[in-house]
Amino acid sequence: EIVMTQSPATLSVSPGERATLSCRASQSVSSNLAWYQQKPGQAPRLLIYGTSTRATGIPARFSGSGSGTEFTLTISSLQSEDFAVYYCQQYNNWPPITFGQGTRLEIK
Amino acid sequence: EVQLVESGGVVVQPGGSLRLSCAASGFTFDDHSMYWVRQALGKGLEWVSLITWDGSRTYYGDSVKGRFTISRDNTKNSLYLQMNSLRTEDTALYYCAKGSIPGPTAGSLDYWGQGTLVTVSS
Repeated sequence: EIVMTQSPATLSVSPGERATLSCRASQSVSSNLAWYQQKPGQAPRLLIYGTSTRATGIPARFSGSGSGTEFTLTISSLQSEDFAVYYCQQYNNWPPITFGQGTRLEIK
Repeated sequence: EVQLVESGGVVVQPGGSLRLSCAASGFTFDDHSMYWVRQALGKGLEWVSLITWDGSRTYYGDSVKGRFTISRDNTKNSLYLQMNSLRTEDTALYYCAKGSIPGPTAGSLDYWGQGTLVTVSS
C-alpha cells in the first residue's frame, strides 16, 4: 500500500499571500496524483488531477507540481474562500487508492 | 449538471446490515467507474470501494473487504453499497463519487455527493 504523507498538518497564512502544501508518497506514483479541497460541512472538491491539470472551474491561482514521490499544491494569492482542508490522493498503484491525512489551511 | 445523491444512512447496531444507494444524473453513468469514500467525524478521507463501468470488477479497502459489497445498476443510473457485519469503526459519512476517467481504471474523483451518515452503535 502506498502511504501518502502531507505536510504541514496545519498551515497559517495571511490572505493575499502564497501557500505551499506538500504531499509525499512512500513510493513513486508517477504523475497520478490529485488534490482536493474540503470546506466544513461540504463534500471534497477536485482541484487538480494528473499532478498539474486544474479541474473544471478551478481558478488559475491553484497550481500543482511534482512527480514520483514529491508533490506540491500552490495557491498563489490566498482568498478568504481558500481556507479549508486539502487532501492529496494517489491512483497509480491500486488497490488501495490512498489519501493523505490532510493539511488544514487557516487564516493567520 | 452532474448530481450524486446518496441515501440509506441510519443508526444500526453492531453486527447489523445496511444498504446505501446513490442516484446519479447529468452524465453517462455507464461510462465511468464509481467509488465509495468515507469520512469519520473530524477525520480524513478513506477509500472504501470501486466498481468499474460495467460492474465486472470490484475492489475494496482492507478494512471492509469481505463485509461490504459494491454494485451498480446501469439501467437505473444507481450505485449501491451493501454493508454487513457492521462495526462501530464503520461509523462515518459515506460519499458516492464519480471517477473522472471513462473506462475501467482508477483515477481522480471529479464529482461527489453530499454523503449519507452511517452510525453503528448499540
